[in-house]
Amino acid sequence: GAGVSQSPSNKVTEKGKDVELRCDPISGHTALYWYRQSLGQGLEFLIYFQGNSAPDKSGLPSDRFSAERTGGSVSTLTIQRTQQEDSAVYLCASSLVGGSVPDTQYFGPGTRLTVL
Amino acid sequence: GQQLNQSPQSMFIQEGEDVSMNCTSSSIFNTWLWYKQDPGEGPVLLIALYKAGELTSNGRLTAQFGITRKDSFLNISASIPSDVGIYFCAGRGTSYGKLTFGQGTILTVHP
Repeated sequence: GAGVSQSPSNKVTEKGKDVELRCDPISGHTALYWYRQSLGQGLEFLIYFQGNSAPDKSGLPSDRFSAERTGGSVSTLTIQRTQQEDSAVYLCASSLVGGSVPDTQYFGPGTRLTVL
Repeated sequence: GQQLNQSPQSMFIQEGEDVSMNCTSSSIFNTWLWYKQDPGEGPVLLIALYKAGELTSNGRLTAQFGITRKDSFLNISASIPSDVGIYFCAGRGTSYGKLTFGQGTILTVHP
């Protein structure tokens, strides 16, 4: 079956522009996660969705970052007024149940964002 | 916030050698995970550990969940060229969903 897909795979934008990154989780997965990976670093948690609600958005770095999930499926991460320090790979993951169940998170290939 | 220190940062080894890497934390985790990431791909789960003291194997991989719940190690035996990649430890605490990742170990295997 299809894994987690993300689009676009690469995005180059100018400082100050807004960008939208999309994640399509594995069909039937209830939980969805966004992480950010800066060059040569580990993954940094951004936000977690259980269904369409986000019980943990503690990792969003500033109010320029927002995310939503609709229909318990697709999620969009929006970055407004992008800054050069936003350049990173943005990874999405999904898991079957989430919540109190420590189930496996399956990752997509990521979107590489470059802010000029 | 929680921090994971992963070492070594990189390793250059000959094919057939064994490899060991570890992670330590300033906080307790309830689950320890080890992932591998290939270039241009997302991380893939190798081993998950759920109990303090647990020792788990997956083929040539062996990982342990430290007794203090603040550390874990991963061993790879008889390395092969396809073991090349970046290995990450990750911990899950009481905040369900959120994983905290180490900085990664870059493994290079010379044939």
